[in-house]
Amino acid sequence: GAGVSQSPRYKVAKRGQDVALRCDPISGHVSLFWYQQALGQGPEFLTYFQNEAQLDKSGLPSDRFFAERPEGSVSTLKIQRTQQEDSAVYLCASSFPRRLAGGGNEQFFGPGTRLTVL
Amino acid sequence: ELKVEQNPLFLSMQEGKNYTIYCNYSTTSDRLYWYRQDPGKSLESLFVLLSNGAVKQEGRLMASLDTKARLSTLHITAAVHDLSATYFCAVDSGTYKYIFGTGTRLKVLA
Repeated sequence: GAGVSQSPRYKVAKRGQDVALRCDPISGHVSLFWYQQALGQGPEFLTYFQNEAQLDKSGLPSDRFFAERPEGSVSTLKIQRTQQEDSAVYLCASSFPRRLAGGGNEQFFGPGTRLTVL
Repeated sequence: ELKVEQNPLFLSMQEGKNYTIYCNYSTTSDRLYWYRQDPGKSLESLFVLLSNGAVKQEGRLMASLDTKARLSTLHITAAVHDLSATYFCAVDSGTYKYIFGTGTRLKVLA
């Protein structure tokens, strides 16, 4: 079946411009995550949704970052007034509705959106 | 706060050699994941380790988890060029989010 998809794959923005990044999770996955991966670093958690509810947004770096998942499926990460330090790959992941036998909760990652802010 | 460290950060090895990548984490967790990332690509799941003493093998890669030592290892046997990539461990924080290690950039030389 189809995996997690993200669009656009690449985005170049001028400083101060607003951007919107889209994530389509695996069908039926209740949980959805956004991560930010700076060049040469590991992914860092941004925010988490269970269905349409945003249960944790503690990783969002500033109030310029906003995420939504209004119908519990597709999610959008919006960055307002982009800055150069926002340049990174933004990864979306989704996971099964219940924990695997033994307690696992494997996340499946999309291809990412590479954002470059000039 | 959960912290995850990997070492080495960079690894250059000859084909045919063996090596181990280490992943240490700072608080209790019994769920750990290994991912592979090729340049410009997303994360590919390699192993899911769900209990103390778990060992999984796939081809030339073997992963293990020691929850008491808060340590996971990824062992590479008889490396081949195709294994060149960046490898990440990720620890389930006990809620829902992953905390990733710093990554190990592996280069296998012919």
